[in-house]
Amino acid sequence: GEDVEQSLFLSVREGDSSVINCTYTDSSSTYLYWYKQEPGAGLQLLTYIFSNMDMKQDQRLTVLLNKKDKHLSLRIADTQTGDSAIYFCAESSSNNNDMRFGAGTRLTVKP
Amino acid sequence: GAGVSQSPSNKVTEKGKDVELRCDPISGHTALYWYRQSLGQGLEFLIYFQGNSAPDKSGLPSDRFSAERTGGSVSTLTIQRTQQEDSAVYLCASSQAGGRYEQYFGPGTRLTVT
Repeated sequence: GEDVEQSLFLSVREGDSSVINCTYTDSSSTYLYWYKQEPGAGLQLLTYIFSNMDMKQDQRLTVLLNKKDKHLSLRIADTQTGDSAIYFCAESSSNNNDMRFGAGTRLTVKP
Repeated sequence: GAGVSQSPSNKVTEKGKDVELRCDPISGHTALYWYRQSLGQGLEFLIYFQGNSAPDKSGLPSDRFSAERTGGSVSTLTIQRTQQEDSAVYLCASSQAGGRYEQYFGPGTRLTVT
């Protein structure tokens, strides 16, 4: 099956930038997404990028997509303690009415 | 409210009992998903409903698990003869057919089997 993979843990200091990486295998992926899950809550869509784009910026968030290498990253500038959460990468394709999720990266922000 | 809702938010049950978990998707969303998230883990797909099509049950871990979606809206996930390993957060999500397919998640039901 098609896979989405992410590293499980990332720890940064408050004020630093965080970069969360994701790789996927489906070459027909159309949209790629980042979700955030805070403790005790469901997943919240943070941002998404269409596969014909290579970058999208939204305030402190920058998404980079390398379609050739099937690599997606999420950069959080000036990381705050409130950014501590699990971040899930996901992708969907026009071939399937479905999304596939990575296992999630737990971001810990130390003061 | 416009979001996905789930009930109950927490459920504690004794091993061997049956439980029902409910999901109310966003109005108009034709697709509905159930996931399981064990402590500190990623999402485990359970079942997927799309309109009037037969559901994709490929993720259900055993025949003790079943789900229904009535009238194309509300869904219930039933776990019969619960086991301790069923303890997890059960997340429901819905999405529109077509377009980006991004899923909107409910807050989850935390199930604890004692």
